Amino acid sequence: DIVVTQSPDSLAVSLGERATINCKSSQSLLYNSDNKDYLAWYQQKPGQPPKLLISWASARESGVPDRFSGSGSGTDFTLTISSLQAEDVAVYHCLQHYSIPRTFGQGTRLEIK
Amino acid sequence: QVQLRESGPGLVQPSETLSLTCTVSGGSISPYYWTWIRQIPGKGLEWIGYIYYSGATDYNPSLRGRVTMSVDTSKSQFSLKLASVTAADTAVYYCVKVVTGGMFDPWGQGTLVTVSS
Repeated sequence: DIVVTQSPDSLAVSLGERATINCKSSQSLLYNSDNKDYLAWYQQKPGQPPKLLISWASARESGVPDRFSGSGSGTDFTLTISSLQAEDVAVYHCLQHYSIPRTFGQGTRLEIK
Repeated sequence: QVQLRESGPGLVQPSETLSLTCTVSGGSISPYYWTWIRQIPGKGLEWIGYIYYSGATDYNPSLRGRVTMSVDTSKSQFSLKLASVTAADTAVYYCVKVVTGGMFDPWGQGTLVTVSS
């Protein structure tokens, strides 16, 4: 199984500041045949199901504010929130959909400092 | 936009079988993949398995042997059965659509299933 490890487990950032969450995979998620990284980011607010934010490591879903960005390739990925807003308080998860079984990172809890 | 809704008992006895159904509305169950994911309270997300509209399945090896998924296209529903449950199976269970490329979106609201006597 591919192990996906997020860091940090929790993070407190001041409003308007940058938040950075990392996701590391135990093997490359880059599929050579299509040159895509099979890594997605989700946001889960309290009492809600996860919501897809970023697909293919860096493609923002429709309606997602442009302060959210994804980067990285291979085994190391980053989710960045450029200017934290109050509504961004949530748990963020990364998902590898490169191989079966699909696996998630353990989640990163983002709070306001 | 397709919507998913989980239904089933919120309390299951240890050693019994957990049974959940997901009803899909606002879109067709064909020709897509669908999946079940669970989240132990306060913990991360665990993928349980896939079912294709045709009935083909693929399960997480960690649960294989206890999981059975089925689909009823006439009712726009797919189902999960998890046998021989223990307290460790207490979780919020989500049904989710699988989109092109394998991402999971959208998700149902989830249903909490507690395993307890």
